[in-house]
Amino acid sequence: KNQVEQSPQSLIILEGKNCTLQCNYTVSPFSNLRWYKQDTGRGPVSLTIMTFSENTKSNGRYTATLDADTKQSSLHITASQLSDSASYICVVSAYRGSTLGRLYFGRGTQLTVWP
Amino acid sequence: DTAVSQTPKYLVTQMGNDKSIKCEQNLGHDTMYWYKQDSKKFLKIMFSYNNKELIINETVPNRFSPKSPDKAHLNLHINSLELGDSAVYFCASSPRVRSGNTIYFGEGSWLTVV
Repeated sequence: KNQVEQSPQSLIILEGKNCTLQCNYTVSPFSNLRWYKQDTGRGPVSLTIMTFSENTKSNGRYTATLDADTKQSSLHITASQLSDSASYICVVSAYRGSTLGRLYFGRGTQLTVWP
Repeated sequence: DTAVSQTPKYLVTQMGNDKSIKCEQNLGHDTMYWYKQDSKKFLKIMFSYNNKELIINETVPNRFSPKSPDKAHLNLHINSLELGDSAVYFCASSPRVRSGNTIYFGEGSWLTVV
């Protein structure tokens, strides 16, 4: 069964600290993995997209890693800011040739950054 | 200059009513989607259209009917609303039906059925 599991479910850290969010998936065949940030009351915004051949991708203070062998990904946030408080959603796309395969969503990790 | 805009943002209505949510994107994208996010924040795709043609239709009750008058618009009409329809509905778009394309989401429409 194709699934995407994220951990922890929620996380509280102090401003300026680093943190790492985890994503494990069983989606097969694999096409790509995306991390989205969803602020409260807003729509998800794309942070990174990684294909099978990419094992790390950065977007400012956000760095995503991918291990396609173990089917794990992590999102590392450096020097957290209050504005990082949001839900972070891992999304895995199944492969369907060149067209968009089905997307499988994790339930998200709710990150709260305290001053 | 909103990329993907949907209206209304909030909608409270009674069971049995029919309602519509409109969505428009000004990004020139070919593909548009409707997603449903339940109370546990789980996002699930409902429909996907590519150039006004339906390409993904997940297991969604027939009461939900998408309409795409042109590739910049994808509206969602819901008949005979039920309590379980209460959720946040997100419209989204992407350049083409390509595997690695970024999907851009709207701000969501909060539907509450009472």
